[in-house]
Amino acid sequence: DAGVIQSPRHEVTEMGQEVTLRCKPISGHDYLFWYRQTMMRGLELLIYFNNNVPIDDSGMPEDRFSAKMPNASFSTLKIQPSEPRDSAVYFCASSPDRGYTGELFFGEGSRLTVL
Amino acid sequence: KNQVEQSPQSLIILEGKNCTLQCNYTVSPFSNLRWYKQDTGRGPVSLTIMTFSENTKSNGRYTATLDADTKQSSLHITASQLSDSASYICVVSDDRDDKIIFGKGTRLHILP
Repeated sequence: DAGVIQSPRHEVTEMGQEVTLRCKPISGHDYLFWYRQTMMRGLELLIYFNNNVPIDDSGMPEDRFSAKMPNASFSTLKIQPSEPRDSAVYFCASSPDRGYTGELFFGEGSRLTVL
Repeated sequence: KNQVEQSPQSLIILEGKNCTLQCNYTVSPFSNLRWYKQDTGRGPVSLTIMTFSENTKSNGRYTATLDADTKQSSLHITASQLSDSASYICVVSDDRDDKIIFGKGTRLHILP
């Protein structure tokens, strides 16, 4: 299996621009998670889906962030408009269960820099 | 507030030496504790998963221990190699709030 695939790996944009991050989970995994990682706060859960349905989005910072999962093999995280404080590494992870008792499989991350 | 605290924040050791990383948590009740390794520029990869009833779990040169009474876990690395240079993240599953709580990690540097 190719693992969790994220794109782009690096994104540099200017404040105010729209950013879209993409994720393809491991086939057969029913759960998909979006995390944000910074030096100050470590890994933070933004949102997770079960069978394409958003279950918990309490970690989404504000209305500028939105996430979708139109099918079992694709999810997007969108930031509009972007701000410098959004600069971070965004990880997508998938799991055959809630990730609660089993293992989370992470992608390689998308490093976002907002100027 | 449930927390996972790791120490030290960073550690530098010579290749071939052993080291131990610490994780203290206040999460209660919890179902399992995991250690992840994160290489620079990569995503975290699972090293070990322990349930609350397990005391130790090994994965090659990595050995994790768990003391549920004192709410402490450690990750011991034997005969370190340059490829062990990475961040090591402790993760605890919170049964009460149904959440996974991440520590901020220990950054390990192995010098030749």
